[in-house]
Amino acid sequence: SQQGEEDPQALSIQEGENATMNCSYKTSINNLQWYRQNSGRGLVHLILIRSNEREKHSGRLRVTLDTSKKSSSLLITASRAADTASYFCATASGYSSASKIIFGSGTRLSIRP
Amino acid sequence: DAGVTQSPTHLIKTRGQHVTLRCSPISGHKSVSWYQQVLGQGPQFIFQYYEKEERGRGNFPDRFSARQFPNYSSELNVNALLLGDSALYLCASSLDRTGAYGYTFGSGTRLTVV
Repeated sequence: SQQGEEDPQALSIQEGENATMNCSYKTSINNLQWYRQNSGRGLVHLILIRSNEREKHSGRLRVTLDTSKKSSSLLITASRAADTASYFCATASGYSSASKIIFGSGTRLSIRP
Repeated sequence: DAGVTQSPTHLIKTRGQHVTLRCSPISGHKSVSWYQQVLGQGPQFIFQYYEKEERGRGNFPDRFSARQFPNYSSELNVNALLLGDSALYLCASSLDRTGAYGYTFGSGTRLTVV
């Protein structure tokens, strides 16, 4: 079952614009992670935000987390053609038991030149 | 330092056959997890192994099995293949069992069942 659900499912923007993707989840979490996937290949870890953090930055990426609303957002500023990919949020919970991350269904981002 | 390596990269099998997929984690990582990703969907958790023991299992039939070796590499085995097993199989390694520092994924094995 999917824990996180990304919104929108697909996003097409002009190069140079900012892209915002949202993720909602259902249960309490220890951390939330964002991944990028190019052309159905391996997932690239972008950023991890812990449940006690509200905002995190990494280069052109900005992630926010609102645990009261069980939601997160990923902002990519000054988008480039190379940012074209699918983006997934994944939630981690239950450190005492089996560790797994549960992925959402992803947002397909297309950057138009 | 090499990342997570998976082999083979592509595989075509016939229904009813079995398949073995292999994964080598990042050096120093003791946890290996397996995920199945069907086209157009997010990855689904199959197994986690840590210190050579199964620590978690997703909602997959008993046809799916795995193991982890003393060098922390891992194999995923699928018996009696079905058409629906066609997917990208991803291996992820993490430093510890909790995954608190994130996961590093391999490039995956694309399995096609015909």
